[in-house]
Amino acid sequence: AQSVAQPEDQVNVAEGNPLTVKCTYSVSGNPYLFWYVQYPNRGLQFLLKYITGDNLVKGSYGFEAEFNKSQTSFHLKKPSALVSDSALYFCAVGGGATNKLIFGTGTLLAVQP
Amino acid sequence: DAGVIQSPRHEVTEMGQEVTLRCKPISGHDYLFWYRQTMMRGLELLIYFNNNVPIDDSGMPEDRFSAKMPNASFSTLKIQPSEPRDSAVYFCASRFVEGASSGANVLTFGAGSRLTVL
Repeated sequence: AQSVAQPEDQVNVAEGNPLTVKCTYSVSGNPYLFWYVQYPNRGLQFLLKYITGDNLVKGSYGFEAEFNKSQTSFHLKKPSALVSDSALYFCAVGGGATNKLIFGTGTLLAVQP
Repeated sequence: DAGVIQSPRHEVTEMGQEVTLRCKPISGHDYLFWYRQTMMRGLELLIYFNNNVPIDDSGMPEDRFSAKMPNASFSTLKIQPSEPRDSAVYFCASRFVEGASSGANVLTFGAGSRLTVL
């Protein structure tokens, strides 16, 4: 069965500092990994995905994520955080024998000015 | 493209009443997903359809929940009777399958329906 874990409920970072939001996954076979962002009272928006190829994936708004197969991780990163990055971030895993996309519990990113 | 459209955006009802949530996926998308979001449980997959056919409903909490997709442009999620613990935000999402691996394609989410059961 697919599963994804986001170990931090909340990440606090000062504006201008680098940020990391952690994600680990479990899936049989090759994983399809996604990051989505949710702003208050909105639906989820796609940020980036890893399917195959280069382990470093670049996405929207300056975000990137690194796929690490040995650690089964797919951490989201950004070199310099903005206050406007404050939102709820979800990691998700697909693939395996199903077409499901399973989400983690989400990590609230709070960027202080 | 108007995106995935959900209605109502907000619903307040009393325990025991029937609730129907509606979703119009993006035209041409052949997968449709229903998710439920709560503080306690995060984002849970309830059911998904492929070409209007329910594929996996193992996430549906209990028999009070049912979902249908009578055609490619419309789906409903019904709760009958509703209970306070059903209070949540319900999201619909759709996906267009491109390539051999449908799981690699991006989901587009609607804005959600916030349900409050008193």
